[in-house]
Amino acid sequence: ETGVTQTPRHLVMGMTNKKSLKCEQHLGHNAMYWYKQSAKKPLELMFVYSLEERVENNSVPSRFSPECPNSSHLFLHLHTLQPEDSALYLCASSPETGSPLHFGNGTRLTVT
Amino acid sequence: AQKITQTQPGMFVQEKEAVTLDCTYDTSDPSYGLFWYKQPSSGEMIFLIYQGSYDQQNATEGRYSLNFQKARKSANLVISASQLGDSAMYFCAMRHYNQGGKLIFGQGTELSVKP
Repeated sequence: ETGVTQTPRHLVMGMTNKKSLKCEQHLGHNAMYWYKQSAKKPLELMFVYSLEERVENNSVPSRFSPECPNSSHLFLHLHTLQPEDSALYLCASSPETGSPLHFGNGTRLTVT
Repeated sequence: AQKITQTQPGMFVQEKEAVTLDCTYDTSDPSYGLFWYKQPSSGEMIFLIYQGSYDQQNATEGRYSLNFQKARKSANLVISASQLGDSAMYFCAMRHYNQGGKLIFGQGTELSVKP
């Protein structure tokens, strides 16, 4: 049990679909993050939320839309994705933005 | 520019032996933290060890130790007494204290432990 739970574990979607990735943390952390891990590339930070407020948006295309309704939940809404968006999407949390991150197991996304 | 470099795409080590995974970084900011994460095939990123730029001593956590050489800007991970379960991807990462939670990751090193 990592304390950070991501669902679904695997997702296959067409380019015209709309889907959402969910992340939930039970650690009482105040900061949550979305990272993208593509094959052969370093992890890329997408979004940072601190106390439910977005504090960083790393030039991510608008087809990715994050939502943080409370400090325990983080969503990534997906629409009209491209095949190059296929990757492992990792959610993480930390007590505050200056602490080590705790990651979930990730969602393996395939866009067809 | 802020950058993390891991020059070893893959490493092999015999079970019960020690192994060193290399990490060098580039920054002009004096305040930063260095992290190592392990990623098994399941995908989860597991935090292993942390070293702050002002820490005088090298960090240790069980079988993991960090060989921090600030002047050379290197933060190598040493795993002692390797176990089969240590086979995984290992990522070095850096964060600057004035940039909140943004972690910059290296490309990773795939470690394979042989029985």
